[in-house]
Amino acid sequence: SQQGEEDPQALSIQEGENATMNCSYKTSINNLQWYRQNSGRGLVHLILIRSNEREKHSGRLRVTLDTSKKSSSLLITASRAADTASYFCATINSGNTPLVFGKGTRLSVIA
Amino acid sequence: DAGVTQSPTHLIKTRGQQVTLRCSPKSGHDTVSWYQQALGQGPQFIFQYYEEEERQRGNFPDRFSGHQFPNYSSELNVNALLLGDSALYLCASSLGLGNQPQHFGDGTRLSIL
Repeated sequence: SQQGEEDPQALSIQEGENATMNCSYKTSINNLQWYRQNSGRGLVHLILIRSNEREKHSGRLRVTLDTSKKSSSLLITASRAADTASYFCATINSGNTPLVFGKGTRLSVIA
Repeated sequence: DAGVTQSPTHLIKTRGQQVTLRCSPKSGHDTVSWYQQALGQGPQFIFQYYEEEERQRGNFPDRFSGHQFPNYSSELNVNALLLGDSALYLCASSLGLGNQPQHFGDGTRLSIL
C-alpha cells in the first residue's frame, strides 16, 4: 500500500518557471523525504525534512511540511530542462520502518 | 567512490521460472533494501537486510526471498515467476538501520513472458 499521494500526477512548465508538487500522507511520520527519478534510472535523494521541521532549503529546492494537514510541498525554482523527471515523496513512520512511496509527479520542463 | 550497482540491467524470463538479481551497496554502506516498481507507480518495499539478516519485510509472498553476504552485497530471488512480477527491481543502500536517506541503483528491468 502507498502512504503518500503526490499532486498533480503530471506537470508541464516552461524553463525558468517555478514548479510546485504536493504530497499528502495518512499516518504520523518521523520524517518525509523527496526523491527524483529520471526515466529508466534509479531514484536520487533530494531532501529530508523531519516531523519537527517546517521548511528546508537545498539550492533551488524548497520543501515545506505541515504535520497538522499531513502534507508537504516541493518547490523547484527557476526550473531547467534537466529537472524533467518523476518526483516522489516518501515517508518514514518511526524508527526503522521502511520508506513508503507515493505514485509520483511527472514533471516536464520545456526549453 | 562506487555507488550502488545492480546486475543484470535487463532480464527476460518466462512464467514459472526462477530469477536471481544482484546488488552491491555504496561503499561504506551496510544495509540493503529491495523495492519493486511497476510501470507508472512508486517503489514498493520488498525487504531489508542488515548484518546478513532480513530485518523488515513488505507485503510480498514467500516466493520473494533474499540474502546478504558478509561483504554487504545482496541477492533477490523470485521463484515461480508470474506475469505480474514484471517490474523494475531497485536496490537501495544506507548506513545502519533507521531513517537514513537511501542511495539507489539503476535497477534491473525484469520482463516475464
